[in-house]
Amino acid sequence: NAGVTQTPKFRVLKTGQSMTLLCAQDMNHEYMYWYRQDPGMGLRLIHYSVGEGTTAKGEVPDGYNVSRLKKQNFLLGLESAAPSQTSVYFCASVRGKEYEQYFGPGTRLTVT
Amino acid sequence: GQSLEQPSEVTAVEGAIVQINCTYQTSGFYGLSWYQQHDGGAPTFLSYNALDGLEETGRFSSFLSRSDSYGYLLLQELQMKDSASYFCAVSRGSYIPTFGRGTSLIVHP
Repeated sequence: NAGVTQTPKFRVLKTGQSMTLLCAQDMNHEYMYWYRQDPGMGLRLIHYSVGEGTTAKGEVPDGYNVSRLKKQNFLLGLESAAPSQTSVYFCASVRGKEYEQYFGPGTRLTVT
Repeated sequence: GQSLEQPSEVTAVEGAIVQINCTYQTSGFYGLSWYQQHDGGAPTFLSYNALDGLEETGRFSSFLSRSDSYGYLLLQELQMKDSASYFCAVSRGSYIPTFGRGTSLIVHP
């Protein structure tokens, strides 16, 4: 099993550009999450999904959209990137115990 | 709302014991979990406490006091590879955990 994978690993965007981050898991997990991590801020939840076709807002959803058309994939979109969205983005999934999250390797995004 | 407090940085020497504290304020508390994250890496799950007391997993132990809204992670026989950030996270039964800001552990030779 590959676990949780994220694509791409690194990306540099110019202000106003758009992009989609892909998260894929092969563990048949129901719950999936997108977090951003900034220095000194810990992990902040952007959006999450409790199953295929469902999404919900987390703590910091503004400027992001998500979709979960297939159970194994969770996409995070930035429609018009801003420098404030420079961060490391982590995807995670849960096997059934909410406290044991499996994280992907992260995507390091810089918006100039 | 929910809030978690943990020290921003802790330093210790190789072979020593170190304790990383976490205090929380939340409603609907189910349990407290701990994650480790090395620089440039992803967080990985370490332990979970739902009941009061100590849970031991090798060199790592985690403690919870629900009445005090307090927990800690105890690392024994510290090794250089234990240098990392450690996050506590509160579970509320909603499948939406809340993470603390993390404690950077620096282990010196």
